[in-house]
Amino acid sequence: QVQLVESGGGLVKPGGSLRLSCAASGFTFSDYYMIWIRQAPGKGLEWVSYISSSSSYTNYADSVKGRFTISRDNAKNSLYLQMNSLRAEDTALYYCARGYCSGGSCYGSAGYWGQGTLVTVSS
Amino acid sequence: EIVMTQSPATLSVSPGERATLSCRASQSVSSNLAWYQQKPGQPPRLLIYDASTRATGIPARFSGSGSGTEFTLTISSLQSEDFAVYYCQQYNNWPGWTFGQGTKVEIK
Repeated sequence: QVQLVESGGGLVKPGGSLRLSCAASGFTFSDYYMIWIRQAPGKGLEWVSYISSSSSYTNYADSVKGRFTISRDNAKNSLYLQMNSLRAEDTALYYCARGYCSGGSCYGSAGYWGQGTLVTVSS
Repeated sequence: EIVMTQSPATLSVSPGERATLSCRASQSVSSNLAWYQQKPGQPPRLLIYDASTRATGIPARFSGSGSGTEFTLTISSLQSEDFAVYYCQQYNNWPGWTFGQGTKVEIK
């Protein structure tokens, strides 16, 4: 079965950096686009970043553009999010998610999610 | 940026009743819309994609409709496990997504 396990969250001071990881299993990782989505405590969902299956295309929310970098290692079945210049407003639970595909087509929706890793930015 | 607005913020419904949730886009997203359910302490679960297609394993009591800027998620007969927060999400400008702010369905 599909499993996504995030790690790397923690407490960091404003201006600091963190690298999140997501270990994927139960599917052919290199066949799917991947996404990071975050949820601030008690708030709604915010899409953060996208990476295509071959890493040829990435995209970012305006709120993180220039500060966050998404990457993947298909040989290691792993997804990453390098977060620099962190701000208090980046405090959130960060989810790794896989795109939803059915009948040979993939759709712009997140079909599988990890449990998330908590990032807290505070002095 | 496409803004997604959900209404109402909270919906109080009795078990067995129908629930109707709305989602409006600030500009047309065609049928590129998904719905998710989130329960406390859990990640969201995909219910509907392409505005009206149920994801794998989703019960038939969940249905989606609409296109353009107006969308509806209907739960035909609420079960106890359906009390949760529901989010809509557009992917018309994929791979840039936006979510609505959520509708909480609570027990009346």
